[in-house]
Amino acid sequence: DAKTTQPPSMDCAEGRAANLPCNHSTISGNEYVYWYRQIHSQGPQYIIHGLKNNETNEMASLIITEDRKSSTLILPHATLRDTAVYYCIVRVEGQNFVFGPGTRLSVLP
Amino acid sequence: KAGVTQTPRYLIKTRGQQVTLSCSPISGHRSVSWYQQTPGQGLQFLFEYFSETQRNKGNFPGRFSGRQFSNSRSEMNVSTLELGDSALYLCASREGQQYGYTFGSGTRLTVV
Repeated sequence: DAKTTQPPSMDCAEGRAANLPCNHSTISGNEYVYWYRQIHSQGPQYIIHGLKNNETNEMASLIITEDRKSSTLILPHATLRDTAVYYCIVRVEGQNFVFGPGTRLSVLP
Repeated sequence: KAGVTQTPRYLIKTRGQQVTLSCSPISGHRSVSWYQQTPGQGLQFLFEYFSETQRNKGNFPGRFSGRQFSNSRSEMNVSTLELGDSALYLCASREGQQYGYTFGSGTRLTVV
């Protein structure tokens, strides 16, 4: 079973920041938080991952709470092409990914 | 670098037949995993191979099998196909255990 809980759907206005929450209250100290997204009928695309510290790359920022029990993926300026299902996954190094149902983000014009 | 390549892209098979799907990982990636995606069950892990050895296996019947070759290319086979095997089959590769996966575009299998 997936170790994460995400809202099933969210809307965001184009050009605004999209903040996608994820709860992982049972995360252990050696588990990483990964975010992937899947645009319809394509393979999941890697976005970002982190362990303890906040992370930023060209696609997004990942904010992990101090107790590591939750995190937020931030897309700073959402575009229509960011409409997708977003998956939050916790994983110990070396283990396979367990995907939950994810959050369906709709970016609205 | 070329991405993860899966062939064929689409496939239609009849119940009872068998099928073989192919995956070429990113050059230098030695780990290959397979996932099945259906509308009802979502993304489910099938198995992972590293250096020609199966490392992990998901909760699927023995009709689902796979292998990895010395060049890291992988195949998965499904025998005695059932209607419920209709799905998008995704292959993913990674450079090492500490990295995330890069997924291919998948093979969409339809069993009729």
